[in-house]
Amino acid sequence: DAKTTQPPSMDCAEGRAANLPCNHSTISGNEYVYWYRQIHSQGPQYIIHGLKNNETNEMASLIITEDRKSSTLILPHATLRDTAVYYCIAFPNMYSGGGADGLTFGKGTHLIIQP
Amino acid sequence: KAGVTQTPRYLIKTRGQQVTLSCSPISGHRSVSWYQQTPGQGLQFLFEYFSETQRNKGNFPGRFSGRQFSNSRSEMNVSTLELGDSALYLCASSFGDRGKNEKLFFGSGTQLSVL
Repeated sequence: DAKTTQPPSMDCAEGRAANLPCNHSTISGNEYVYWYRQIHSQGPQYIIHGLKNNETNEMASLIITEDRKSSTLILPHATLRDTAVYYCIAFPNMYSGGGADGLTFGKGTHLIIQP
Repeated sequence: KAGVTQTPRYLIKTRGQQVTLSCSPISGHRSVSWYQQTPGQGLQFLFEYFSETQRNKGNFPGRFSGRQFSNSRSEMNVSTLELGDSALYLCASSFGDRGKNEKLFFGSGTQLSVL
């Protein structure tokens, strides 16, 4: 899996858009960019994923650069409940036939929403 | 539909003992992955089972093992427990076909404390 890098922490004011960057410069053509978040003491929760086009769902938007080397997760109107650790992961869309094909989580970004 | 269920939620063991953790995936999911989460190392992939076969394995010693049953339920076992095995153990289920919508659904985890 491609290694991803994220800032360790970010602050955002409640009601504002939270923009979380992720660098995945070694991503390969068959790897999707997935975002998960983990609220304290719970399992990670899926947010959104994409390959090369921008994506939007009820939770967030995902902007992937044209060269696919970086992406940004956008929470359009952050609330206090969005305080969590956000993980950006590159995950292949096919089984490669061996090895450690599990999700490789980095340390993620601890997003703190300020009231 | 019901989510991923992990039992027990909390567990206290002593060094040298063994422990078995259980995970019931979402109905219809054939892949179950296990992860270890500690404050220092973050989320680390242990192994993945798909259709009763271990398909992927992370970099953990042989004391960590698992299995999957015909109904996709999975167990993981840790033998000869060490203090460093204290962690939150998470399981995640998915369809496992690695298609373009390979979302993982995580359970709430089992918090293991080794004394």
